[in-house]
Amino acid sequence: GAGVSQSPSNKVTEKGKDVELRCDPISGHTALYWYRQSLGQGLEFLIYFQGNSAPDKSGLPSDRFSAERTGGSVSTLTIQRTQQEDSAVYLCASSFAGAETEAFFGQGTRLTVV
Amino acid sequence: QKEVEQNSGPLSVPEGAIASLNCTYSDRVSQSFFWYRQYSGKSPELIMSIYSNGDKEDGRFTAQLNKASQYVSLLIRDSQPSDSATYLCAVPRSNDYKLSFGAGTTVTVRA
Repeated sequence: GAGVSQSPSNKVTEKGKDVELRCDPISGHTALYWYRQSLGQGLEFLIYFQGNSAPDKSGLPSDRFSAERTGGSVSTLTIQRTQQEDSAVYLCASSFAGAETEAFFGQGTRLTVV
Repeated sequence: QKEVEQNSGPLSVPEGAIASLNCTYSDRVSQSFFWYRQYSGKSPELIMSIYSNGDKEDGRFTAQLNKASQYVSLLIRDSQPSDSATYLCAVPRSNDYKLSFGAGTTVTVRA
């Protein structure tokens, strides 16, 4: 596709349920990033993939969060047993060859845990 | 020390004025520097990239880089109300290529 695509755009879930957020990067981009942005706050780094590998998982807030990337393309961020504090916009970005190259963001997934 | 720091806002400028945004970074080895614009309720949009010391101009935007001082700035000339947004400075970490963002500076252009 022309840009980074994220789905769903909005997700409302009940506390305790699991959710999956999807990111489809720009074709040919090897690097993929997940960030979280709470209302009125800055970008919080979650995880970075180079190809299918995630050399840096230090940003994941807890063991309820996991992410994978398959085929060097689509990535899924999974949040298990969601909590109200997980409510935020989850942003995905991709770049051609790592952070030294320009990164482009998707439109984000707004997650609301009720 | 934070990896990327931006001047605290909000910054309010009259229409037609120059808005000046500053950013300092901690990683001396960083080679790429980016400015993003984020409108309220939207995702960040890349507006400028700069890799060499000096100035880079793109329309009404000018990025300035000084690697010796670990400083990068963004000037918005002839500011328009449509420039009202939060501007984010982003710098890759050289040791692991994490893209670090500053907290952002919110700019309001008064008509």
